[in-house]
Amino acid sequence: KQEVTQIPAALSVPEGENLVLNCSFTDSAIYNLQWFRQDPGKGLTSLLLIQSSQREQTSGRLNASLDKSSGRSTLYIAASQPGDSATYLCAADESYQGGSEKLVFGKGTKLTVNP
Amino acid sequence: GAGVSQSPRYKVAKRGQDVALRCDPISGHVSLFWYQQALGQGPEFLTYFQNEAQLDKSGLPSDRFFAERPEGSVSTLKIQRTQQEDSAVYLCASSFVGGWRTDTQYFGPGTRLTVL
Repeated sequence: KQEVTQIPAALSVPEGENLVLNCSFTDSAIYNLQWFRQDPGKGLTSLLLIQSSQREQTSGRLNASLDKSSGRSTLYIAASQPGDSATYLCAADESYQGGSEKLVFGKGTKLTVNP
Repeated sequence: GAGVSQSPRYKVAKRGQDVALRCDPISGHVSLFWYQQALGQGPEFLTYFQNEAQLDKSGLPSDRFFAERPEGSVSTLKIQRTQQEDSAVYLCASSFVGGWRTDTQYFGPGTRLTVL
């Protein structure tokens, strides 16, 4: 059974700092790993999806890497801004015989970027 | 069209009451997922539909939980005889095509259920 762990649970940084969020998963036989953002009282917004054949994905100031062999992914945020304050969730899929992408989530990292 | 919508956004129920939570997925999306998110936790999978077929209900915590998607679009999650431990945010997500492992799931805002 897939288990996902995120470190740290919370992070507070000054504006402009570069930062790294960590995610580890127990079953390396994944097809995809996704990073989501969740704002208080809101649903989840997909940030990046990394397929198992890829090693990284980039979108603007965000870069996510994937190392299947070690069961790890990192989300790198460059030049952080107060608007980046949110909870960041990592999710790995758990294969189902029908091929559906059931996601297993970590507990998230709550990020606060201080002006 | 618009994103995934859920209603009601907030629901307060007395212990023992039945509740029904609605999800309207993005038009044309084949796959629909329900997740339960307890306070301070990540979402946990409940059930999955491909069109009207419920292909995976392994995450439903008890037989008090029931989900349906009769016409392959709108879905309803029903909880019978609610208990305090059912208090959580219930998230719905949809994706374009089931079985394609590169498909992003789009999430609704969730329904926050509080059982008194």
